[in-house]
Amino acid sequence: NAGVTQTPKFRILKIGQSMTLQCTQDMNHNYMYWYRQDPGMGLKLIYYSVGAGITDKGEVPNGYNVSRSTTEDFPLRLELAAPSQTSVYFCASSRGGGETQYFGPGTRLLVL
Amino acid sequence: KNEVEQSPQNLTAQEGEFITINCSYSVGISALHWLQQHPGGGIVSLFMLSSGKKKHGRLIATINIQEKHSSLHITASHPRDSAVYICAVGGTASKLTFGTGTRLQVTL
Repeated sequence: NAGVTQTPKFRILKIGQSMTLQCTQDMNHNYMYWYRQDPGMGLKLIYYSVGAGITDKGEVPNGYNVSRSTTEDFPLRLELAAPSQTSVYFCASSRGGGETQYFGPGTRLLVL
Repeated sequence: KNEVEQSPQNLTAQEGEFITINCSYSVGISALHWLQQHPGGGIVSLFMLSSGKKKHGRLIATINIQEKHSSLHITASHPRDSAVYICAVGGTASKLTFGTGTRLQVTL
């Protein structure tokens, strides 16, 4: 089992560019999450999904979009990158609500 | 005031010392999580608890629901325990609110 995988590991974007951060899990988990981690701050929830076809906003959703067409994949889309989106992004999954979350290795994004 | 407060923010210990990291929260929760973030950035879940105490190897986590407080203890600390330890609390819909973490360095 690979668990939760994320690509890319690192990316530099110019202001205004768009990109998709990929997240895949092979544990057949229903719940998936996207977090961002800024220096000195706690992880913040961007979006989450309780199953294929169902997504909902977290604490900091502005500037991002998600989709969940399959159980395995939960991509995060940045449409118009801004310097404020420079951060480390973590994807996570859990079997159910309130259960242990398994994290991917993270994607470091720099927007210049 | 943050909903989840951890103390201390930074902690240096010598190998073998007993370590305690504290977490206080101000909201009603269904469960509290302790996570470890390695120096390379990876995050792993250590414990999830809603009452009492859990133990895994040299790690012990306790929670007092009435006082809205949890502690993570590390017995016989080792340099490989050096990491950031993060407390997170879960309410409805499995959303977690995270503390800012406690950076632990264990020296020889």
